[in-house]
Amino acid sequence: DAGVIQSPRHEVTEMGQEVTLRCKPISGHNSLFWYRQTMMRGLELLIYFNNNVPIDDSGMPEDRFSAKMPNASFSTLKIQPSEPRDSAVYFCASSPAGTGASNQPQHFGDGTRLSIL
Amino acid sequence: GNSVTQMEGPVTLSEEAFLTINCTYTATGYPSLFWYVQYPGEGLQLLLKATKADDKGSNKGFEATYRKETTSFHLEKGSVQVSDSAVYFCALLNSNSGYALNFGKGTSLLVTP
Repeated sequence: DAGVIQSPRHEVTEMGQEVTLRCKPISGHNSLFWYRQTMMRGLELLIYFNNNVPIDDSGMPEDRFSAKMPNASFSTLKIQPSEPRDSAVYFCASSPAGTGASNQPQHFGDGTRLSIL
Repeated sequence: GNSVTQMEGPVTLSEEAFLTINCTYTATGYPSLFWYVQYPGEGLQLLLKATKADDKGSNKGFEATYRKETTSFHLEKGSVQVSDSAVYFCALLNSNSGYALNFGKGTSLLVTP
């Protein structure tokens, strides 16, 4: 079975440029999550969607970050303009979670390693 | 609110040694508890889970028991292998607070031959 697919795996770009990270969740999963991982702060939840609707975006660092989920099989996380402090590994995860399904685990993609120079 | 506290690493063990990684949590209600493992260069993989008090999750020789009285979910393995070297994350999921996992900061494990 295909897992969560993220692209690109690596991205190196100069500060000020727009960065778009992509995620394809597991088919049939209702919830999608974007996380950021750094040495200093560990894993941070940025935003999550349920049935394509953003539920909680309180973890999004600032207005430079935006996320969309136009349909059940695709999501993007965009940073514009990018800054060196945005350098991190960004993970997407999906789960079949819904009402009464709090024990359903999240399945993670392999992440996008982002470096902003 | 919900939070997870893990022992800080790195933890270095010799092959076949006994492993314990401590995890305690704070939550209202009855959260589900998870251990995830992250191998170098990869995403997180679910290792085991427990959904109610006294449940024991187990997988690949790892075990953890959901202890509500001590709000703990310690990870144990009787005999570690070099291939167990990874970062281990304890997490909780509380339906009272939506569907997002609360992760601990992770514990790095290095097993030497």
